[in-house]
Amino acid sequence: EAQVTQNPRYLITVTGKKLTVTCSQNMNHEYMSWYRQDPGLGLRQIYYSMNVEVTDKGDVPEGYKVSRKEKRNFPLILESPSPNQTSLYFCASSPHGSRGLNNEQFFGPGTRLTVL
Amino acid sequence: AQSVTQLGSHVSVSEGALVLLRCNYSSSVPPYLFWYVQYPNQGLQLLLKYTSAATLVKGINGFEAEFKKSETSFHLTKPSAHMSDAAEYFCAVSDGSSGDKLTFGTGTRLAVRP
Repeated sequence: EAQVTQNPRYLITVTGKKLTVTCSQNMNHEYMSWYRQDPGLGLRQIYYSMNVEVTDKGDVPEGYKVSRKEKRNFPLILESPSPNQTSLYFCASSPHGSRGLNNEQFFGPGTRLTVL
Repeated sequence: AQSVTQLGSHVSVSEGALVLLRCNYSSSVPPYLFWYVQYPNQGLQLLLKYTSAATLVKGINGFEAEFKKSETSFHLTKPSAHMSDAAEYFCAVSDGSSGDKLTFGTGTRLAVRP
């Protein structure tokens, strides 16, 4: 089944304790992205990747890191989490990162993170 | 820069009534437009997308949206609401400036009354 998976689905942690949220897709997609969803703000892009070893900042990158060593995986790293990073996080992927292809993005199920 | 405005954070309709969810966009280039639906405790699912091939776009579950360039709008409609339509709906725009980056509206939560 074609899908985007995220782990963990739920995470409660404390300020300053490094964590990684994994994201994996099995559709051979080039483009992957991370969003955070907050009430009243919709979804905002954190980071994206056009292909392996190519990543760039989105609208709200502060406090986050990503890597893209393999095509299928795009982990989100919070090296020193803070309470304002409490949010619902979504990973997404699409076939190509080029304009003109009008690509649908496929979303993972989400990771609900609470930082105390 | 692109942006999306969704008017009405909460909309309530009776079962069988018309559903109208409003979306206005701004984009410096011809946009790609999307509607996504999020059911409770789930990820986002694509309802429909505007590809510039036709201004009236039909999606899944009986939803459709009409692209109106003069009004910079892409409102979502469904003739007859069903209880299962209760969810949060997001309009999104992409202009390709950062690959497939989507800029989302703030969402509209649809409630359907029996």
